Amino acid sequence: AQSVTQLDSQVPVFEEAPVELRCNYSSSVSVYLFWYVQYPNQGLQLLLKYLSGSTLVESINGFEAEFNKSQTSFHLRKPSVHISDTAEYFCAVIDSGAGSYQLTFGKGTKLSVIP
Amino acid sequence: DAGVTQSPTHLIKTRGQQVTLRCSPKSGHDTVSWYQQALGQGPQFIFQYYEEEERQRGNFPDRFSGHQFPNYSSELNVNALLLGDSALYLCASSPADSVEQYFGPGTRLTVT
Repeated sequence: AQSVTQLDSQVPVFEEAPVELRCNYSSSVSVYLFWYVQYPNQGLQLLLKYLSGSTLVESINGFEAEFNKSQTSFHLRKPSVHISDTAEYFCAVIDSGAGSYQLTFGKGTKLSVIP
Repeated sequence: DAGVTQSPTHLIKTRGQQVTLRCSPKSGHDTVSWYQQALGQGPQFIFQYYEEEERQRGNFPDRFSGHQFPNYSSELNVNALLLGDSALYLCASSPADSVEQYFGPGTRLTVT
C-alpha cells in the first residue's frame, strides 16, 4: 500500500526567510503528487500538483515543488515566506500504477511564520 | 460558481447513534470522495462514488456506507457511532477523467 512521510511535524520560520517542507512517498511505478494547504477550521485547498511533464511545478503564490523519482520525494519550497503562509501543509499521492483513485496523505507539517 | 458544499457544519451525536452527512459537488464534477480527518492527522480515504456506484473503498468498516444521487450529490452514513468516529469529515469532488480533487469545508462530528 502507498504511504507518505512528512518528516517534520512543525516548522517555525521567520518572515521573509526561505522554507522547505519535506515529503517522501513509498516507491511506485507511476504516481500523481499533490500539496494541499489547510487553514484553521477549514477544508483543504489544492496548492500544486505533479501529473506528468516538467518535474518542477509552481503555484500562483510563490510555492514550488520538485518531483524526484529516484529519491521518491516531492519537497515543497518557498524562497520568502509571509505571515499569511501560516497553515498546515499536506503532501498526498495517488498510485496511478495500481489504478487507484484515492489520495493517500501524510500526517501534515504545521508551518508557523514568525514576524 | 459554488465550490463543494457540505452540511451540516457541526454535529454532536451519542455513542450508538447513526449519522448522515451530505455533500454537493462543485458544478461540472461527477465524482465524489469522502475522507475522515482525525485531530492532528492527515485525511484518510473512506470511499469514492462515480456514476452512483462505490468505485473504490478504503480501510473502513461496513458501519460506513454511502450513496450518490443522480444529481451527483452524495451522503455518508455512519451507524453504531463510536467515540473514535469523532473527526472532521471531508468531501471532495472531481470532474470525469481527472485526478484533481477539490475539497469542501468539512463536517465536524463529535461523538459523546
